[in-house]
Amino acid sequence: RKEVEQDPGPFNVPEGATVAFNCTYSNSASQSFFWYRQDCRKEPKLLMSVYSSGNEDGRFTAQLNRASQYISLLIRDSKLSDSATYLCVVTNQAGTALIFGKGTTLSVSS
Amino acid sequence: DAEITQSPRHKITETGRQVTLACHQTWNHNNMFWYRQDLGHGLRLIHYSYGVQDTNKGEVSDGYSVSRSNTEDLPLTLESAASSQTSVYFCASSDAAGANEQYFGPGTRLTVT
Repeated sequence: RKEVEQDPGPFNVPEGATVAFNCTYSNSASQSFFWYRQDCRKEPKLLMSVYSSGNEDGRFTAQLNRASQYISLLIRDSKLSDSATYLCVVTNQAGTALIFGKGTTLSVSS
Repeated sequence: DAEITQSPRHKITETGRQVTLACHQTWNHNNMFWYRQDLGHGLRLIHYSYGVQDTNKGEVSDGYSVSRSNTEDLPLTLESAASSQTSVYFCASSDAAGANEQYFGPGTRLTVT
């Protein structure tokens, strides 16, 4: 099983749609979790951290299920500017480095 | 404003040549990282450093080396470039141990012919 697995997509949705991305991770010892966003040919940037209690930032909601080793990202009311690749990220067993998923590509159209 | 820069942004080199990619950050972060990103593999950690004179191997360190002589810089050296090292290279930094937000540079696109 790969350390971090994501559906690569692409997810093609119209503006205003709600879309959800899922991610599973293999290391039960991982302590920190994140979603990063990467635009085409650009560097990754932190979108949000993911907490056990779940967290929301505007139209974005992240949830963590430690028992199932599963992380999700929900985007409501999609905008054209949300088109990007979303990277699921977890810490390694030692907590010394980040492990990146390959990313899920989202394309929002008008 | 604090930032992290990489140079060059694009480089073409020949197989067997030594290549050094520069990374410079003004965040005053102790931790710095080098990744490569390839289609089908995502971001993979090459080397990282938790402070001056500290360096550690990552997942794909063979053929690469780093040195950390000051807080701001972590140059990445390809000792003898190979075609398999054609990739996009990202440098990142953070102000705490690996399990924290990392700030990425704009990347260097390296082609080895």
